[in-house]
Amino acid sequence: DVKVTQSSRYLVKRTGEKVFLECVQDMDHENMFWYRQDPGLGLRLIYFSYDVKMKEKGDIPEGYSVSREKKERFSLILESASTNQTSMYLCASSPRGSNQPQHFGDGTRLSIL
Amino acid sequence: GEDVEQSLFLSVREGDSSVINCTYTDSSSTYLYWYKQEPGAGLQLLTYIFSNMDMKQDQRLTVLLNKKDKHLSLRIADTQTGDSAIYFCAESPQRGYNKLIFGAGTRLAVHP
Repeated sequence: DVKVTQSSRYLVKRTGEKVFLECVQDMDHENMFWYRQDPGLGLRLIYFSYDVKMKEKGDIPEGYSVSREKKERFSLILESASTNQTSMYLCASSPRGSNQPQHFGDGTRLSIL
Repeated sequence: GEDVEQSLFLSVREGDSSVINCTYTDSSSTYLYWYKQEPGAGLQLLTYIFSNMDMKQDQRLTVLLNKKDKHLSLRIADTQTGDSAIYFCAESPQRGYNKLIFGAGTRLAVHP
């Protein structure tokens, strides 16, 4: 069974802080994704990575960056957290190739005060 | 452009059938997915259908695809309280690195 693990279920940070969200998958998947989920808006793609050290912007990359130094780990970074980044963040992974389902972690609920 | 639309809320009585509808825009999508999200959890892949199929059945779940109208539905037979969750429809456009386009999600509430 695919396991995608996000390091924290709940996180509270202050505005202006640098915030790291970590995600690890154990199935040797090439693709990894970061989404944010807000009520009524569904999932919006922030960034994705298709290989180590490779990254592509999603639909809403502003205010975020990512790091993929190892195949199994994909980090989302909020350079200077703001209150409008309070949200649920979901990480996913999938094998290489089109039409492969994505497998999700349990999410991190981030509150920026 | 790419867009997936779902109604936001559905309420059903326990034991009845639930039907969750979805429309999508990208005719190049070869797979369409249904994910379930229980409270406080991530998304769980429920089922998917290949675009050359009209129907797929998996125990209590039936997926219907009308490719001409770009309409997808998920039917849950004998709905139980454990089916209460948010259900997301997603399409998989051919271009790009396996990006999925998600709808906003339908919150299913099951009452006695």
